[in-house]
Amino acid sequence: DTGVSQDPRHKITKRGQNVTFRCDPISEHNRLYWYRQTLGQGPEFLTYFQNEAQLEKSRLLSDRFSAERPKGSFSTLEIQRTEQGDSAMYLCASSSSAGGIVEQYFGPGTRLTVT
Amino acid sequence: AQRVTQPEKLLSVFKGAPVELKCNYSYSGSPELFWYVQYSRQRLQLLLRHISRESIKGFTADLNKGETSFHLKKPFAQEEDSAMYYCALGPPGGTSYGKLTFGQGTILTVHP
Repeated sequence: DTGVSQDPRHKITKRGQNVTFRCDPISEHNRLYWYRQTLGQGPEFLTYFQNEAQLEKSRLLSDRFSAERPKGSFSTLEIQRTEQGDSAMYLCASSSSAGGIVEQYFGPGTRLTVT
Repeated sequence: AQRVTQPEKLLSVFKGAPVELKCNYSYSGSPELFWYVQYSRQRLQLLLRHISRESIKGFTADLNKGETSFHLKKPFAQEEDSAMYYCALGPPGGTSYGKLTFGQGTILTVHP
């Protein structure tokens, strides 16, 4: 499968613990996005990278959240001191900056449950 | 602020009937509009984009700037169209380089 991959697919953690998710974009894509989706809602933008540069962050991304893309390839999203309100599906997407209109390709998501 | 509204959370039709999924947006400028679809147990995928003016799987969507709408239509629904549909708004400029703003989604069920 050459699509966007995310790991783990499911994560259950206790409140207060730290968690880290990984996203591997499509190999030739230089743009990478993180979204969060809660039950009954559409995905909400969190942050995006072009190569290794983090170019935009949503106000949803509190100081407990940090995202990195150190070599411009895979990305990690870390949540420190998790809260029950962090329970959601975390989606990663990637796209290419080449050409005109480009679509974002989504991964399967990581479902986080904070107990 | 940009916003996307999908007024129907659930939509049920019978096979062969026409279907229209509504989407209204709020944006000061000329955004790019998209429809994404998520079939059961599959990932979110692009269905169509307004700039391409294409028909995918029999679906079309017309951007109406006066009404700020981008409704998705299909003249004859099929059972395999049953899925969650999201309308999304992207920044203008001819590229989807930035964030997408999604609506809440509409679950379409096509009955046999």
